[in-house]
Amino acid sequence: LAKTTQPISMDSYEGQEVNITCSHNNIATNDYITWYQQFPSQGPRFIIQGYKTKVTNEVASLFIPADRKSSTLSLPRVSLSDTAVYYCLVVSGGYNKLIFGAGTRLAVHP
Amino acid sequence: GAGVSQSPSNKVTEKGKDVELRCDPISGHTALYWYRQSLGQGLEFLIYFQGNSAPDKSGLPSDRFSAERTGGSVSTLTIQRTQQEDSAVYLCASRPGTTYEQYFGPGTRLTVT
Repeated sequence: LAKTTQPISMDSYEGQEVNITCSHNNIATNDYITWYQQFPSQGPRFIIQGYKTKVTNEVASLFIPADRKSSTLSLPRVSLSDTAVYYCLVVSGGYNKLIFGAGTRLAVHP
Repeated sequence: GAGVSQSPSNKVTEKGKDVELRCDPISGHTALYWYRQSLGQGLEFLIYFQGNSAPDKSGLPSDRFSAERTGGSVSTLTIQRTQQEDSAVYLCASRPGTTYEQYFGPGTRLTVT
């Protein structure tokens, strides 16, 4: 399973767009990129998943360049409630065990 | 609809005792996972059940840990002769057969004194 690297922490302010970039240099052809969000005292929650180019849902967008060695999670107009830890994971196509890294701790300030 | 539920939400036990943690997955989900989250250690995979296949036990840290899934639904994680390093939040997740998305429960916080 490909290892992921993402910033340990980020700070932002309400109303701003936040972009969290994750590198996964050893991603394999069958791998997907998945992002989870975790609030304190709760289990992680799926945000978005993609294979290449751009994926958008009601919560976020995921940008994946052609070489797929990195991905960027974009959160539009964050609010205080977006303060959480965000995990970037690479999921093997035929095997769905999730390997979590340290994640990015996002703090949104008023 | 109902999400993944886990019980108990908190468990305090003495070192050396056995504990059982329960997970009720979302109805119809074929895959079930157990993870552990320790302070400073992040989330680690423990075990994975998929339908009637043999479980993937590769993440279990020692033979004191075991899990079963009865009737393709409820799962129980058992820790025998608990040690202080077993203190953590134990998370269960389930997944339908058609997507990669895992749905996590609220976890059981285990404290071994």
